[in-house]
Amino acid sequence: AQSVTQPDIHITVSEGASLELRCNYSYGATPYLFWYVQSPGQGLQLLLKYFSGDTLVQGIKGFEAEFKRSQSSFNLRKPSVHWSDAAEYFCAVALMDTGRRALTFGSGTRLQVQP
Amino acid sequence: DTGVSQNPRHKITKRGQNVTFRCDPISEHNRLYWYRQTLGQGPEFLTYFQNEAQLEKSRLLSDRFSAERPKGSFSTLEIQRTEQGDSAMYLCASSSPLDSYNEQFFGPGTRLTVL
Repeated sequence: AQSVTQPDIHITVSEGASLELRCNYSYGATPYLFWYVQSPGQGLQLLLKYFSGDTLVQGIKGFEAEFKRSQSSFNLRKPSVHWSDAAEYFCAVALMDTGRRALTFGSGTRLQVQP
Repeated sequence: DTGVSQNPRHKITKRGQNVTFRCDPISEHNRLYWYRQTLGQGPEFLTYFQNEAQLEKSRLLSDRFSAERPKGSFSTLEIQRTEQGDSAMYLCASSSPLDSYNEQFFGPGTRLTVL
């Protein structure tokens, strides 16, 4: 079965520092890949998505992610973190070639931003 | 576009009681999804509707759970004879018929606490 791994449960960075959140997936083919952010009391908001083409994708709020097929990874990055970025981040995959529409999520990475 | 709405936002119930949650998707979206999220975990897929047809169900959806979307618009998720293990955030999402990439828009969720 497919799986999504986010190795870092909790990350703390200083405001203004760069950020990289890791995501690895286990699946034979290339899935559709997503990053969502969840703030306390809020629903999941889509940051960015990858389906094909350019392996570096830009998203909202200054986030970007790079797809690396050889590493089965889709890491999320931001060059300069703002205090408002503190939230939980989820990587998700969709296996569209199977006809299934369910998203499979990782367990999330909680980001704390220090002033 | 008012987004996906869910009611109630919070529900506290006693073990053994039945509860029902409602989800109103984005108006032109014909696909609707239910997920469950427990503390410290990513969302887990429960079920998926295209219009009024329930096309996919997870093994997580035990016999005590039932979901409906009778007119292809709003959906309800009912849990019968609730158990303490049912305590979780129940998330609803919807996606557009024009979207072939399965981008899902999430509501704020209903938090269920079973005492």
